[in-house]
Amino acid sequence: DAGVIQSPRHEVTEMGQEVTLRCKPISGHDYLFWYRQTMMRGLELLIYFNNNVPIDDSGMPEDRFSAKMPNASFSTLKIQPSEPRDSAVYFCASSSGSRGQFFGPGTRLTVL
Amino acid sequence: DQQVKQNSPSLSVQEGRISILNCDYTNSMFDYFLWYKKYPAEGPTFLISISSIKDKNEDGRFTVFLNKSAKHLSLHIVPSQPGDSAVYFCAASGTNTDKLIFGTGTRLQVFP
Repeated sequence: DAGVIQSPRHEVTEMGQEVTLRCKPISGHDYLFWYRQTMMRGLELLIYFNNNVPIDDSGMPEDRFSAKMPNASFSTLKIQPSEPRDSAVYFCASSSGSRGQFFGPGTRLTVL
Repeated sequence: DQQVKQNSPSLSVQEGRISILNCDYTNSMFDYFLWYKKYPAEGPTFLISISSIKDKNEDGRFTVFLNKSAKHLSLHIVPSQPGDSAVYFCAASGTNTDKLIFGTGTRLQVFP
């Protein structure tokens, strides 16, 4: 069992550039969650999917953020254009049912 | 508006002693609570949970207590070990949502 896989692990980009974060959930899990971790706000839920369908995107901070889940084994979180305040660690998590979430190792994003 | 609060950002405890991490919540609809543990450069991992029908759940050195009237839960670690040094997140969910709402975390340091 490979667990939740996220790529890249680190991303450094310049303000205004497009950033795409990728996630492969655990096989058989029907929920996928995207979180952002910051010192001030802890772990914030950005969006989650159930059976590849976005259920709640109320945590997405702005229209610059978008997420897709084209199939059960892949999801992306895109930021366009990126800003320095988007710098954070982004986590993907998956679960079978909503309460026992397994987290990936995270992507540390730095926007200069 | 933080629905789940961890008011102590850090805690330092001597090895062998008890560590007590606290968490408060505001939403009376929450009925399931979890603790996650996070090491640097890794994703959070599930530690222990409790349903609102219980007031205590124990798993080895870890015990979670729930006080519904006070909307308060705590995690006790006895005895504390240096390997317990990590950030601990409290999370909550309700029957009417698939979301987990996380607190901001408490950094525990266990020193010899």
